[in-house]
Amino acid sequence: DTAVSQTPKYLVTQMGNDKSIKCEQNLGHDTMYWYKQDSKKFLKIMFSYNNKELIINETVPNRFSPKSPDKAHLNLHINSLELGDSAVYFCASSQDGWGSNQPQHFGDGTRLSIL
Amino acid sequence: AQSVAQPEDQVNVAEGNPLTVKCTYSVSGNPYLFWYVQYPNRGLQFLLKYITGDNLVKGSYGFEAEFNKSQTSFHLKKPSALVSDSALYFCAVRVPRPGAGNNRKLIWGLGTSLAVNP
Repeated sequence: DTAVSQTPKYLVTQMGNDKSIKCEQNLGHDTMYWYKQDSKKFLKIMFSYNNKELIINETVPNRFSPKSPDKAHLNLHINSLELGDSAVYFCASSQDGWGSNQPQHFGDGTRLSIL
Repeated sequence: AQSVAQPEDQVNVAEGNPLTVKCTYSVSGNPYLFWYVQYPNRGLQFLLKYITGDNLVKGSYGFEAEFNKSQTSFHLKKPSALVSDSALYFCAVRVPRPGAGNNRKLIWGLGTSLAVNP
């Protein structure tokens, strides 16, 4: 039983294309996140949704648009992909949002490579 | 500015020896402290946390960490390292957001790569 699952695991595409990454969690959590991990392994929060409401939107280009159709899903759509978007994108979830002392549960990442 | 530091990019230790991965923080308010581990090609996995109470917390895979308020540190330790402990370790601190009620900001360290040699 995969708790946080992301698809696809690998994504190789051309510069300028539009792509989406899907994330689903079956933990019953109310908060979901998108992170970007660059080639130096630095982890940066991009977005967070609590009960389908956007609560964190860090300094991310507006080419990136998250969508949460329900509490269990948080998808990431990226328009006009650029070389600098190459990274590993992680989805995560937790219970009780940003005031919580609960840990986050991570998916295994989507490795995005821009040619 | 509030920050979390993992002063060592890499830690090398021989199998069977004790290991320590360091984390220090500079934050206001009472922090919640977390350690996560990332194995190659995997997502981060929660190891342990300190919220309140006993300064020594025990977590998964035999790891423990000690909260030291005076030194603002939360070092990760294990008495006897295994080759399978080789991974990337992240410290994270959740701190109150000013004027945001119960909402807390999560600050991540930059990670420490642990290599355990046979």
